[in-house]
Amino acid sequence: TQLLEQSPQFLSIQEGENLTVYCNSSSVFSSLQWYRQEPGEGPVLLVTVVTGGEVKKLKRLTFQFGDARKDSSLHITAAQPGDTGLYLCAGLMEYGNKLVFGAGTILRVKS
Amino acid sequence: DTEVTQTPKHLVMGMTNKKSLKCEQHMGHRAMYWYKQKAKKPPELMFVYSYEKLSINESVPSRFSPECPNSSLLNLHLHALQPEDSALYLCASSQAVSSEAFFGQGTRLTVV
Repeated sequence: TQLLEQSPQFLSIQEGENLTVYCNSSSVFSSLQWYRQEPGEGPVLLVTVVTGGEVKKLKRLTFQFGDARKDSSLHITAAQPGDTGLYLCAGLMEYGNKLVFGAGTILRVKS
Repeated sequence: DTEVTQTPKHLVMGMTNKKSLKCEQHMGHRAMYWYKQKAKKPPELMFVYSYEKLSINESVPSRFSPECPNSSLLNLHLHALQPEDSALYLCASSQAVSSEAFFGQGTRLTVV
């Protein structure tokens, strides 16, 4: 059983469409990170959310942390081909000392 | 500067070879990590070092041997690997084990 359930696993959309990726858990996280990774490269940190209910924006990307700090979402507005990649959510357990990763979402944006 | 530098970027080694992967960060981070990643899968934690001491070993086979010579460097010594060990090996660091992690570019390892 995955501790951090990420969905969808795959997403193929047209340029200009909106999309949302979800990460859900029954566990509480002290913080949650979102990463984007291109093939053959390391994950690049996009954002860290820490406070329940927190919303952070990064240009066309909006990140939300659930009130109970058990779930998070990433919303992309007007997706572009350059957004293509593997999106990973990763949470730090409230009483743990290591990152728990979701399974990842492979996003393909077609022009 | 949020850079974690890994060398080499690519490595091909035979099953009887001994090689080492290197990782360096100059952010003053006191926690460093090794991850293994297969294609289109999330990274899998291998080792965690905190203040230069090994704090987590996720039941990794002994053919992988980590070393932390100082607070900026992390090595992964490889010996007698199997073809199924071929993967992207990622190093990461964070201020502490409870902080956000920054990843290096990875080493693409192929075992032949």
